[in-house]
Formats: sequence, structure tokens, C-alpha cells
Amino acid sequence: DQQVKQNSPSLSVQEGRISILNCDYTNSMFDYFLWYKKYPAEGPTFLISISSIKDKNEDGRFTVFLNKSAKHLSLHIVPSQPGDSAVYFCAASAGSGGGADGLTFGKGTHLIIQP
Amino acid sequence: KAGVTQTPRYLIKTRGQQVTLSCSPISGHRSVSWYQQTPGQGLQFLFEYFSETQRNKGNFPGRFSGRQFSNSRSEMNVSTLELGDSALYLCASRGRLNTEAFFGQGTRLTVV
Repeated sequence: DQQVKQNSPSLSVQEGRISILNCDYTNSMFDYFLWYKKYPAEGPTFLISISSIKDKNEDGRFTVFLNKSAKHLSLHIVPSQPGDSAVYFCAASAGSGGGADGLTFGKGTHLIIQP
Repeated sequence: KAGVTQTPRYLIKTRGQQVTLSCSPISGHRSVSWYQQTPGQGLQFLFEYFSETQRNKGNFPGRFSGRQFSNSRSEMNVSTLELGDSALYLCASRGRLNTEAFFGQGTRLTVV
């Protein structure tokens, strides 16, 4: 049973426009959510995170929105740039304060920024 | 500050052999976790160590094991290798108060 789902395997967006990547989760115990970006043959790079006590977190061009009632989060990238082309993973953690729990990842969305 | 370092980067092993992968976390980080990435299953959590103790374990068979040393460095061992163990193995470290995990570049294991 997949607890973190990214239903779009790929997404193509024009350069300069907004990219919206979506993620759904099923485990109510998740209280911390993260987005990672991954290039081929490299490890994932942390982008942005959000705690379940918030509904929005912003960092430069990246904004993450959390809708707890819908168990849904999204990552907005504005404006999209060619270097944003990568695979984006949504991840969730339960009981994250102590850092003891592993992250549960979605299967990723391949974002392609078209010039 | 140096990042998470994994060695070796690439490895080819034969079915039935065993393999040990190494991970050095970011200096000061005491939590180290391991993940397996395959095309079909995505990133799957193997286990996490904190202060030399395994704190959490994913749904993998007992052939997958790990340990953490007093300097927080960690090793992961896979015994009796199977073709399906071919994957990118990623290590991540976390600081005591942070929850963001920082990943190494991974070890690409190919079992033939």
C-alpha cells in the first residue's frame, strides 16, 4: 500500500510559467513533508519542507502548500527555469521531531521545462 | 562543510556474494538512514541509525543489515545477493534538531 502518491509520472511546463507538482498521502500520522529534487546518477537534493502545523511555506521560487483535511500537498515553482528539469520526490515523515523515523517517498514526477 | 559521502560509487557483484557499502554523514549529524532506489519501486526506506542504534527499519528481508559506528559513519551489508538487489543505494544524514535529510550521491550496485 503506497502511503505517499505522486500520480503524475511526468509534467511538461513552458519556461517562465508556473509548475505545480502534486502529492497525496494516506497516513494520518505524517506530520512533516518534504520535497526533493533529483538529477540522474545523483542523490536527491532537499528543496523545501513543511510542518503539519502550517499550510504554506515559501522559499524563493518554491512554495509548498499543505491541505491536511484533503491529505494533499503541492509544490509550486514560479517562474519555471530550464535548470528545474529533474525528478521531484515528495516525502513524508511521522514523529519527525526526534529524527528517528524514515522518510516515505512518492515515486516521483519528472518535470520537463520546455524552452 | 562536507556533504554525505558514500563509497564506492559503483559496484558489480555476482549472485550469492555479499557486499558492504559505506556512508560518512555530514559532520555533527548523528542520524544516518539508508534507502534503495529502483525504477519500479522508487525510493524505499531500509533502516535508520541514531547514536549506533537502529531506530527504525523498512520492509526488507534480513539479508539487508547495517550498523553505525561511534563516529556516526555507517555501513550497510547485503548478503546472498540476488539480481533484484541491483539498485542505487542512497545514504542520508540528519542533524539532531533538523528533520531534513541530506543525501549522498549513492552507490550503484549491479548484481550479475
